[in-house]
Amino acid sequence: DAGVIQSPRHEVTEMGQEVTLRCKPISGHNSLFWYRQTMMRGLELLIYFNNNVPIDDSGMPEDRFSAKMPNASFSTLKIQPSEPRDSAVYFCASSTRLAVGADTQYFGPGTRLTVL
Amino acid sequence: TQLLEQSPQFLSIQEGENLTVYCNSSSVFSSLQWYRQEPGEGPVLLVTVVTGGEVKKLKRLTFQFGDARKDSSLHITAAQPGDTGLYLCAVGDNYGQNFVFGPGTRLSVLP
Repeated sequence: DAGVIQSPRHEVTEMGQEVTLRCKPISGHNSLFWYRQTMMRGLELLIYFNNNVPIDDSGMPEDRFSAKMPNASFSTLKIQPSEPRDSAVYFCASSTRLAVGADTQYFGPGTRLTVL
Repeated sequence: TQLLEQSPQFLSIQEGENLTVYCNSSSVFSSLQWYRQEPGEGPVLLVTVVTGGEVKKLKRLTFQFGDARKDSSLHITAAQPGDTGLYLCAVGDNYGQNFVFGPGTRLSVLP
């Protein structure tokens, strides 16, 4: 199994540009999570999906952030327009079921985003 | 207010030493997880504890869930450089709708 795949691994962009991060969960997993990690705020849950449906997006910081899951094997997190304070490592994770806090979440390697 | 607190924030020790890190909260949880994150990678689940007072062992790592299910500890025996990383505890909130990570303990084991 290839594990959770994220692309790109690194992204450098200028303030105001649109950024799209991509995630391919582990095949057969029904739940997908997007996280953001910074030194100041640690690891924060942004949004999660179950069976391609967004369940809770209360962690999304602003309307500039949006996430989609058009099918079971693909999800995107978009930031438009990007700002320097969005600089962080963004992780995608998947699990077999939505037993938040009890099931194993498998994390991807992350996308390191730098907004200049 | 942080739902979870972890201590110490940083820990640097010599190879072969023992150590304990802690995860504390004022809330009660049905389960708690420990993850380890190495530089440049995503967190990897080490263990899930669900019963108050439960103790689980994973080679040189011993995990304990507090009797009141509000806190947990991770003890490492004879630490090795490969144990270096960020240790995170995590819980689902009491509504089962959110997943919260603690700020982590950054461990460095020097050879």
